[in-house]
Amino acid sequence: DQQVKQNSPSLSVQEGRISILNCDYTNSMFDYFLWYKKYPAEGPTFLISISSIKDKNEDGRFTVFLNKSAKHLSLHIVPSQPGDSAVYFCAASARNFGNEKLTFGTGTRLTIIP
Amino acid sequence: SQTIHQWPATLVQPVGSPLSLECTVEGTSNPNLYWYRQAAGRGLQLLFYSVGIGQISSEVPQNLSASRPQDRQFILSSKKLLLSDSGFYLCAWSVKGLLRGANVLTFGAGSRLTVL
Repeated sequence: DQQVKQNSPSLSVQEGRISILNCDYTNSMFDYFLWYKKYPAEGPTFLISISSIKDKNEDGRFTVFLNKSAKHLSLHIVPSQPGDSAVYFCAASARNFGNEKLTFGTGTRLTIIP
Repeated sequence: SQTIHQWPATLVQPVGSPLSLECTVEGTSNPNLYWYRQAAGRGLQLLFYSVGIGQISSEVPQNLSASRPQDRQFILSSKKLLLSDSGFYLCAWSVKGLLRGANVLTFGAGSRLTVL
């Protein structure tokens, strides 16, 4: 049962434009959502998170939006840069329920075209 | 500052051979520890996590086992590897029991296992 889904396996965006990565979830107990970035042969690195009580969180070029009623979140990267080319994973946890696990989606490979 | 070390970085093993991947964390105490696997074309699958010494939770029935002999040491093992055990194995740690905030996991550099 895939509780966190990233339905787009890949995305190509022109440098300087906006990249939008999407994620859907099914478990209504999730209370925190995170985005990770992963380069080949490296471990994922944390980008940004959002609590389920918020609908937006911004950090520099990265903004995460949460639509709790639709069980959907998205990561916006503006402007997109060549160094943003990587695999992006959405993750979720039910921390307020005492759950210390992170459940990850299958990832979206973002390619920034110079 | 905290650092996480994972080794070996690359491993090629024959089917039926044993496996031991080791992970240690420095600069923190009593962390949560995790083992994830990224198989080809798939996402990050949680294999095991531990909230303390000797406390291991298994997420997926499989050919692997985990142990936490010391507070900051997490070991992934197998007695007999299968072809399907090939993948990229990632160790991670997080701070335990924050009252608020997301459970941010910090990952190691990963271990690439190829079973032939």
